[in-house]
Amino acid sequence: AQTVTQSQPEMSVQEAETVTLSCTYDTSESDYYLFWYKQPPSRQMILVIRQEAYKQQNATENRFSVNFQKAAKSFSLKISDSQLGDAAMYFCAYRSNGNKLVFGAGTILRVKS
Amino acid sequence: DAGITQSPRYKITETGRQVTLMCHQTWSHSYMFWYRQDLGHGLRLIYYSAAADITDKGEVPDGYVVSRSKTENFPLTLESATRSQTSVYFCASSEIGGQDQPQHFGDGTRLSIL
Repeated sequence: AQTVTQSQPEMSVQEAETVTLSCTYDTSESDYYLFWYKQPPSRQMILVIRQEAYKQQNATENRFSVNFQKAAKSFSLKISDSQLGDAAMYFCAYRSNGNKLVFGAGTILRVKS
Repeated sequence: DAGITQSPRYKITETGRQVTLMCHQTWSHSYMFWYRQDLGHGLRLIYYSAAADITDKGEVPDGYVVSRSKTENFPLTLESATRSQTSVYFCASSEIGGQDQPQHFGDGTRLSIL
């Protein structure tokens, strides 16, 4: 079974600075998708970014980018120019052929002004 | 507006009671999912459905029942609630097709069992 590990329960960043959230996963599959979801205090689950395992190029969405290392099974999220609105719980998730998502335990991101 | 709606948003009940959480989506997505969110565990899949009348167990199905008679609805029932089922429950849906189709989540139901 696939597993997803987020080793940082909590992270802090100064406003306008850059922060990286870590995620590792375990799988024997070769084709899959990886996602980062953001959950603000409102409890919504908001898709931040996704990466296909077959694509070598790292995905980027505005201030959010990933560092995808397939051989190392690592999928970190970098947030540049951090804003107060980025404060949230961030979940890394893995998705395979079964269309099901496997989530990590989450990382709470605090943004200091 | 199209979307995915969960009800109720909050629910308090007692052990042994039956409770049903509702989920409705207007996109006509084929796939629907139920997750529970607990501290330290992230979201864990309870049940999912690939189409009407097709359901399958996820990681933590014990104590839950689902049905899907219509594509747009996917209710989750706790037949005899226990305190360990106190959690936040999320419903999600996605299009049929490739793994790149993102799951769209409802706003969650916070369920407390006393």
